[in-house]
Amino acid sequence: DAMVIQNPRYQVTQFGKPVTLSCSQTLNHNVMYWYQQKSSQAPKLLFHYYDKDFNNEADTPDNFQSRRPNTSFCFLDIRSPGLGDAAMYLCATSAQGSGDGYTFGSGTRLTVV
Amino acid sequence: GDSVTQMEGPVTLSEEAFLTINCTYTATGYPSLFWYVQYPGEGLQLLLKATKADDKGSNKGFEATYRKETTSFHLEKGSVQVSDSAVYFCALSYDKVIFGPGTSLSVIP
Repeated sequence: DAMVIQNPRYQVTQFGKPVTLSCSQTLNHNVMYWYQQKSSQAPKLLFHYYDKDFNNEADTPDNFQSRRPNTSFCFLDIRSPGLGDAAMYLCATSAQGSGDGYTFGSGTRLTVV
Repeated sequence: GDSVTQMEGPVTLSEEAFLTINCTYTATGYPSLFWYVQYPGEGLQLLLKATKADDKGSNKGFEATYRKETTSFHLEKGSVQVSDSAVYFCALSYDKVIFGPGTSLSVIP
């Protein structure tokens, strides 16, 4: 089945140690999103790509970076994780203009120790 | 700006009870409307959607109707099961999706 896959499901990192979360998709969607979600609150959009065009939300901290080397893969880099960055990170994709909504991955739960 | 409001819960129901989760939206145009469900420890799954006024979305016994006159998209299910326990997010979209705050539902046997 076509899907969005996030690895790993659980990630533990040390305070201040860079960490990378990955997302891949087999849907061939041109738009990819990264969300941060804390404690079953509404997901908060960090940034998204239209194809290779990167769009950063105004309130996304500089500590968060992203790369999209091709259509299928997208990475979230946290340069210096703090305790406040512990959260579920969700990747989602959509086909621009389709009106079909997003397809989400299962998420990566990040713990900072 | 565009926004989504929904009853925040938590909502606790007995199995086979009727479910309504209210959702209203504020939008400058005519967005698509969605309900997403998030089971414990999982990502969000699209539950149902409606793309224009008076459309009814339905899936797995859940229904919601796009009401432009009341700017609402209330989620209903006639008989809930324990397996329906999850957090439900109402959302709107022209392009990017705007989520409501989520409603936690617990169904007890």
